[in-house]
Amino acid sequence: SQKIEQNSEALNIQEGKTATLTCNYTNYSPAYLQWYRQDPGRGPVFLLLIRENEKEKRKERLKVTFDTTLKQSLFHITASQPADSATYLCALAPNSGNTPLVFGKGTRLSVIA
Amino acid sequence: GAGVSQTPSNKVTEKGKYVELRCDPISGHTALYWYRQSLGQGPEFLIYFQGTGAADDSGLPNDRFFAVRPEGSVSTLKIQRTERGDSAVYLCASSQRSTGKTEAFFGQGTRLTVV
Repeated sequence: SQKIEQNSEALNIQEGKTATLTCNYTNYSPAYLQWYRQDPGRGPVFLLLIRENEKEKRKERLKVTFDTTLKQSLFHITASQPADSATYLCALAPNSGNTPLVFGKGTRLSVIA
Repeated sequence: GAGVSQTPSNKVTEKGKYVELRCDPISGHTALYWYRQSLGQGPEFLIYFQGTGAADDSGLPNDRFFAVRPEGSVSTLKIQRTERGDSAVYLCASSQRSTGKTEAFFGQGTRLTVV
């Protein structure tokens, strides 16, 4: 069956450290993978998109990698701050056509001052 | 408007009643998506519109759920004979094209509670 797994429900890290979140998928061959941030009571907010032929994408303190051989994406937040505390969702487009995003369950990140 | 707007933000209804949830997407966005999110879960796809037509309704759980987008802009999600298991946050998103290739913009959601 098709699955998207974000490896931990919750992750606690110390302020200033790098947070690394993992997204693994099974039985998909996604053309695109996206990461979203969701705060309590709010809708998800887009952060980064990476294509299947890209290994890495960066935006300010954020970095995403995409390994189609391992079927995995890693999401890194460097120099983490308490304001980074939120749930982070991995989402993939199953193919290159007009298909809706499929989401993982998310990882709740808490950055402790 | 500046973003995706969903109304109402909260809806409490009795089991068996009919409800309508409204989504006003970003102007000019042709793709519109409905998702449902339960506590501790990621958004679960329900239905996708490209323009006025439902391009993919494979996520609708049963025939009590229906959605329309008659003029290619505002969309309404309709739930008949609501059940307690329908309680969740219903999220709407829009994008310029397929969400795979571009970012999706989400509304704040409608929290539906069936009592």
